[in-house]
Amino acid sequence: EVRLVESGGGLVKPGGSLRLSCAGSGFTFNSYTMNWVRQAPGKGLQWVSSISSGSSYKYYAESLKGRFTISRDNAEKSLYLQMDSLRVEDTAVYFCATEFVDTVATPHQVFDSWGQGTLVTVSS
Amino acid sequence: EIVMTQSPATLSVSPGERATLSCRASQSVSSKLAWYQQKPGQAPRLLIYGASTRATGIPARFSGSGSGTEFTLTISSLQSEDFALYYCQQYNNWPPLTFGGGTKVEIK
Repeated sequence: EVRLVESGGGLVKPGGSLRLSCAGSGFTFNSYTMNWVRQAPGKGLQWVSSISSGSSYKYYAESLKGRFTISRDNAEKSLYLQMDSLRVEDTAVYFCATEFVDTVATPHQVFDSWGQGTLVTVSS
Repeated sequence: EIVMTQSPATLSVSPGERATLSCRASQSVSSKLAWYQQKPGQAPRLLIYGASTRATGIPARFSGSGSGTEFTLTISSLQSEDFALYYCQQYNNWPPLTFGGGTKVEIK
């Protein structure tokens, strides 16, 4: 069974930093592109960032470039999101999610397995 | 950036009835369109990818159709567990990957 467990959320002041982690198990972690998706309270889903299986490719939502950094450690089966210069509008539940690979091994950049999310609150 | 627009924002349906949800893209996304279901306090669940292919374990009452800019998610006979939020997402032209604003399916 695929399991993703996020951690590292909490309350931080504007301008502060947080590092989120996502521990994966039950699948071949190093074979999958991994993603962060966030959801502000009462709002919809927003893609944050993606990282390829070998870390060669990293993508970010334009509004987050320069403030957020995605990384992974395949040996530890872990995904990370370093968030700097946090703003009130970054307040959200942050989910990690795997890409979806279909039965003929074609990857689709949609979100298959998800963690339970970790809440980040940016407030003074 | 491709903007995804879902309608209606809220859909009131009686159990056993059909629900039809719409998703429109600001430019063609071919068939690279996914649908998700989200219940309160839970992570989203992938329902449909490739506009019309059900993900593993998704009941046959969920079906997706469309291509280009117009897409539909149909729930043929609503069950109590289907009352939830539904989101569409395009993955044809990214970054960024973009979601629609969601449709809430509520009990009439």
